[in-house]
Amino acid sequence: EVQLVESGGGLVKPGGSLRLSCAASGLTFKNAWMTWVRQVPGEGLEWVGRIKSKTDGGTIHYAAPVKGRFTISRDDSKNMLNLQMNSLKSEDTAVYYCVTQVGVVTNAQPDWYFDLWGRGTLVTVSS
Amino acid sequence: DIQMTQSPSSLSASVGDRVTITCQASQDISRYLNWYQQKPGKAPKLLIYDASNLKAGVPSGFSGSGSGTHFTFTISSLQPEDIGTYYCQQYDDLPRTFGPGTKVDIK
Repeated sequence: EVQLVESGGGLVKPGGSLRLSCAASGLTFKNAWMTWVRQVPGEGLEWVGRIKSKTDGGTIHYAAPVKGRFTISRDDSKNMLNLQMNSLKSEDTAVYYCVTQVGVVTNAQPDWYFDLWGRGTLVTVSS
Repeated sequence: DIQMTQSPSSLSASVGDRVTITCQASQDISRYLNWYQQKPGKAPKLLIYDASNLKAGVPSGFSGSGSGTHFTFTISSLQPEDIGTYYCQQYDDLPRTFGPGTKVDIK
């Protein structure tokens, strides 16, 4: 079964750190461009950042609100995506989804269509 | 960043009604637009890609159209299982951005 499973969420104090992980199975992870999307409970979706596959350069891009505080990394040997979150703020409270594209569309870039989502993991930043 | 807006923010319709949601981009994004459905407590699900292409396995009652800055998503005949929140998302540029969502429920 093709799936993504996030872990590592929980309650953390403002200024604290947390590391999320996403375990991928059933897909060729090393070729996947992986994205983190978050959602404040009851609100909309926000793109957090993306990491390309190593064969495509491994480039990482971040959304402005998290740049300099969050770090995306991948371990292709373990089919694992990580999100290290430092200097956490209350506004980082959200469900964090690991997302990728598994469907193949001719001429499409590997992060155009988010057709595989994990169930998400809740991060709560509160004192 | 490309800003995405949606209207309405919520709607209530009867079973069998035709439902239309609009999405507007702050700049020309060609046809680089997806539509997602999210049910309560679940992750979003891709329905439409490239503005009008129905993802395999998605019921044909869903459709999308548009290009440039103005897009439309339609449910031809609303069913009880269609309740949820619908989001548009552009992939013309980084950061990828989503519309604020349209909550659909049954009258």
